[in-house]
Amino acid sequence: AQSVTQLDSQVPVFEEAPVELRCNYSSSVSVYLFWYVQYPNQGLQLLLKYLSGSTLVESINGFEAEFNKSQTSFHLRKPSVHISDTAEYFCAVSAPYNFNKFYFGSGTKLNVKP
Amino acid sequence: NAGVTQTPKFRVLKTGQSMTLLCAQDMNHEYMYWYRQDPGMGLRLIHYSVGEGTTAKGEVPDGYNVSRLKKQNFLLGLESAAPSQTSVYFCAIAAGRYTGELFFGEGSRLTVL
Repeated sequence: AQSVTQLDSQVPVFEEAPVELRCNYSSSVSVYLFWYVQYPNQGLQLLLKYLSGSTLVESINGFEAEFNKSQTSFHLRKPSVHISDTAEYFCAVSAPYNFNKFYFGSGTKLNVKP
Repeated sequence: NAGVTQTPKFRVLKTGQSMTLLCAQDMNHEYMYWYRQDPGMGLRLIHYSVGEGTTAKGEVPDGYNVSRLKKQNFLLGLESAAPSQTSVYFCAIAAGRYTGELFFGEGSRLTVL
């Protein structure tokens, strides 16, 4: 079975500073990897995903994540954050041939300060 | 969250009462899921369905039942609510095995007193 660890429960950062949200997973098989974002009182929305191919994936709002198989990591980064990025971010993993199940990390709350 | 509608959005129950949460989708997707979200624990899978008439247990199925009589609807039932079931419940859907994306509803906040 897969598991996902998000090492930081909260990350405070000033506006326009860079940020990295860490995600590590455990799995003995190949995986699909995802980052979801949850704004207050809303459901989760897909931010970006890695299924195959290039290990660096990007979102439309400036976030990127890199799949590192040897480190079993999928860290999320943004070079310059905005107030509007304040939200909770969840890393998730699923196995390509067991798509019935997604496993989510415990979440990281990103708090962007002016 | 377009395409996935959860009702009700909020509900307060007393211990021992029963209720049903409804998830309705208009995207014709095969896979449907019920998750619960608790602070510091991320999302945990309760039950899921891979098609009309099928259901299966997830990580935390105890105390819940589900049904998927129609492809577009996935019902989550609590037969005898307990305070430990106080949570935010999310329905999610997926198009299929290789698309790699879950679409979530806006959530249903349940409080059991």
